[in-house]
Amino acid sequence: DAGITQSPRHKVTETGTPVTLRCHQTENHRYMYWYRQDPGHGLRLIHYSYGVKDTDKGEVSDGYSVSRSKTEDFLLTLESATSSQTSVYFCAISESVQGEETQYFGPGTRLLVL
Amino acid sequence: AQKITQTQPGMFVQEKEAVTLDCTYDTSDPSYGLFWYKQPSSGEMIFLIYQGSYDQQNATEGRYSLNFQKARKSANLVISASQLGDSAMYFCAMREGPGNYGQNFVFGPGTRLSVLP
Repeated sequence: DAGITQSPRHKVTETGTPVTLRCHQTENHRYMYWYRQDPGHGLRLIHYSYGVKDTDKGEVSDGYSVSRSKTEDFLLTLESATSSQTSVYFCAISESVQGEETQYFGPGTRLLVL
Repeated sequence: AQKITQTQPGMFVQEKEAVTLDCTYDTSDPSYGLFWYKQPSSGEMIFLIYQGSYDQQNATEGRYSLNFQKARKSANLVISASQLGDSAMYFCAMREGPGNYGQNFVFGPGTRLSVLP
């Protein structure tokens, strides 16, 4: 499982409140990702990071910000949560070994915005 | 335009038979990677297999193989000797870019596979 944990695993919040989700990895991977999963959409990339303080936007980045001040932690922040951000959020890492790529996911965080 | 298309929302297969899950992709980038993932009802995402755009041979991983047809832009997953535990949602995904800085991943909508005893 590449030592990926996510916290919290479940969260209920109210519209307009800030929310921060944490992804933690223990194996010094360079690339980290945040996805959201909604019915009928598969997974959609929100933001990714290719190093400490190096991040970039994905397909659905509006309303989200990220930070990576340490290799092991990648934080996803919803500045002002909306009901449309109710989703399951997955963190992932990727690695490449001799040209073979893999991507491993954390267990996911279920977020409900009321 | 959809970058990853999975045309089979649901599939059934008899236990011990082989099954092919379809995936077509769209990219103009010469360097890309193709991935398949399994998501059981418990919700975790499990990496299955990877194929690089420059790989000459089809990828294989145990009972999983990837039928890569570059000219047709297809990357079908073949599961041999299906087991009841293979019942799950299967996602095809593509990583565009050379992999050093560009790390845009796009997922398809998934195919739900049900293995019948």
